Amino acid sequence: DSGVTQTPKHLITATGQRVTLRCSPRSGDLSVYWYQQSLDQGLQFLIQYYNGEERAKGNILERFSAQQFPDLHSELNLSSLELGDSALYFCASSPRDVQYEQYFGPGTRLTVT
Amino acid sequence: AQKVTQAQTEISVVEKEDVTLDCVYETRDTTYYLFWYKQPPSGELVFLIRRNSFDEQNEISGRYSWNFQKSTSSFNFTITASQVVDSAVYFCALSGVFGGATNKLIFGTGTLLAVQP
Repeated sequence: DSGVTQTPKHLITATGQRVTLRCSPRSGDLSVYWYQQSLDQGLQFLIQYYNGEERAKGNILERFSAQQFPDLHSELNLSSLELGDSALYFCASSPRDVQYEQYFGPGTRLTVT
Repeated sequence: AQKVTQAQTEISVVEKEDVTLDCVYETRDTTYYLFWYKQPPSGELVFLIRRNSFDEQNEISGRYSWNFQKSTSSFNFTITASQVVDSAVYFCALSGVFGGATNKLIFGTGTLLAVQP
């Protein structure tokens, strides 16, 4: 158990809908990262937050947004969902920055039908 | 560009065999970090090791060992006396300061290791 929690574990929804994925980092970790794992694209970095501020953006679609709250939990919002958004979404956390390993949550499997 | 290549898509071995998973990376950074993660069939990503670019010492942890060679930009992972429980997808990853304060992980495509009893 990495100490990172993600909810829900599974999500099935229809095209055009909007969903919110939630992540709680390990106790004391200030950085939260979101990754998407799909068969076509592999594991891709989406976005990073550090202590409430957006720190870095990767290949995140404009339909997707995220935020980190004062209690350091984070939410990833996916809207106008398409079939291609079906993937495993991971949240990871680390104490601070680049020199620390990232610990991953169990992931949320999103299926868009 | 920053890139991680895991040329071996799938490896199949019989239990107790030794197996090496290859990882080659590209980066412009002088300070960077290399990682290995394991993804068992249950799907979670499990951290195995982190190495920084200034530490080329090989590391051994039980049946696992890692060989970091800056000269060939490689960070290979060896499992000695493999076991069925080692069956998983293994990812090599790279992070660093890519033109700014970011430490996203760049992952390779993964190597699926199947250990047969």
